[in-house]
This record gives sequence, C-alpha cells and structure tokens, in this order.
Amino acid sequence: QKEVEQNSGPLSVPEGAIASLNCTYSDRGSQSFFWYRQYSGKSPELIMFIYSNGDKEDGRFTAQLNKASQYVSLLIRDSQPSDSATYLCAVSSTGANSKLTFGKGITLSVRP
Amino acid sequence: DAGITQSPRHKVTETGTPVTLRCHQTENHRYMYWYRQDPGHGLRLIHYSYGVKDTDKGEVSDGYSVSRSKTEDFLLTLESATSSQTSVYFCAISKAGGSYNEQFFGPGTRLTVL
Repeated sequence: QKEVEQNSGPLSVPEGAIASLNCTYSDRGSQSFFWYRQYSGKSPELIMFIYSNGDKEDGRFTAQLNKASQYVSLLIRDSQPSDSATYLCAVSSTGANSKLTFGKGITLSVRP
Repeated sequence: DAGITQSPRHKVTETGTPVTLRCHQTENHRYMYWYRQDPGHGLRLIHYSYGVKDTDKGEVSDGYSVSRSKTEDFLLTLESATSSQTSVYFCAISKAGGSYNEQFFGPGTRLTVL
C-alpha cells in the first residue's frame, strides 16, 4: 500500500512568516511530486511540482525534494492571509499509466 | 479551470437509485480520472481512463463503473447508490501519462445519498 503522509495540522502562522509544510512517502520508486492548494469548497489547484532532488522556486513558493529520505516539503515565504487553505501533497507512481496518491492534506491559517 | 466541467454540480438522490456524473473537457487530453474526497480520507482514486474505451480501476472502485466513448467525456456511474457514496466527486485530466502526469481538476460534484 503506497502511502503519503502529511504532518498533522492545522498549521497557523502570522502574516509575513514562512510556512513549512511537510510530506513523506513510502514508495521509494516514486518519480514526481506535486503540491495542490485547495480553498474551502473549491477544487484542488496545482501550485508546484518537482521531479529532481533539491529545491525548486516559484515566486513565494519553494518545493524541496529529498528522495533518499523520501521527503518533500513546501515553503511559503511572506505568508499572506490569502494563502490560508488546505495543501495536498501528491506522489506519482512509475509506469505508463501512473497514478497520483494524495496525502490527507494540511490546513494552513495565516493570521493577519 | 483548465477547460473541465462537471455535471451536475449538486445532486441529492435516494439509496438504491442509479446516478451518473459527467466530466467534460475541451483540452483533448488523453488521461481522465475520477476521485472522491471525504473528510479524514483525502482524495481517493475511483477509476481512470488512458484513452477512449480504455479504463482501469483505482483504489475505491467497488460500486462504481465508468465509460469513455469520446475523448472529451468521462462518465461515472453509481449503479445503486448507497449512503456511503455521499461525497464530493472530482474529475481530473492530464495531458501525459508516465511519471510527469500533472493533473488538473474540475469544479466537483457534491452528491448526497439519502
């Protein structure tokens, strides 16, 4: 059973702080890693993906991948109240018709 | 929303009735997926399709069937709805398979089975 674990929340940070969201996965053969943001009552929205070890930056978001430790994280710099949402980590299996396995999500609240 | 629509957006039905949810895309993507999302369980894959008439089961496929007769449409059928199938259902599409399968989600359908 492939598992994706996200550390328990909810997470609350003050406006302007760095929010750190973490995710671990069980399938060592996983190749691709995704972060989705989901506002309450809305559908998940892809915000970051990372395929290689190291860091990938996009604006205020940085995804970090460590395949040896089976760990992927999302950092949100200069957090804003509009970042308040549930963040879902997803991991892709290998193969031609690979599928995503999602973590249960972590809810982030940014306090003004 | 990446050219994905779902219908209906909300539905209330009774136990034992059949229900069909529709996902329609305008992106001409090959891959389509149906998920359900429940509190405490996250997103779980029900069925997916990797081409017209090509479908396969996900982790929670019991009680569900799918069909894809055209690239743009992927139908999810609850053959005899049960209260445990009350959920929010999301369709997703992906241009590519393999490991680099970035998926984009439709707006969702909220289904209540009484």
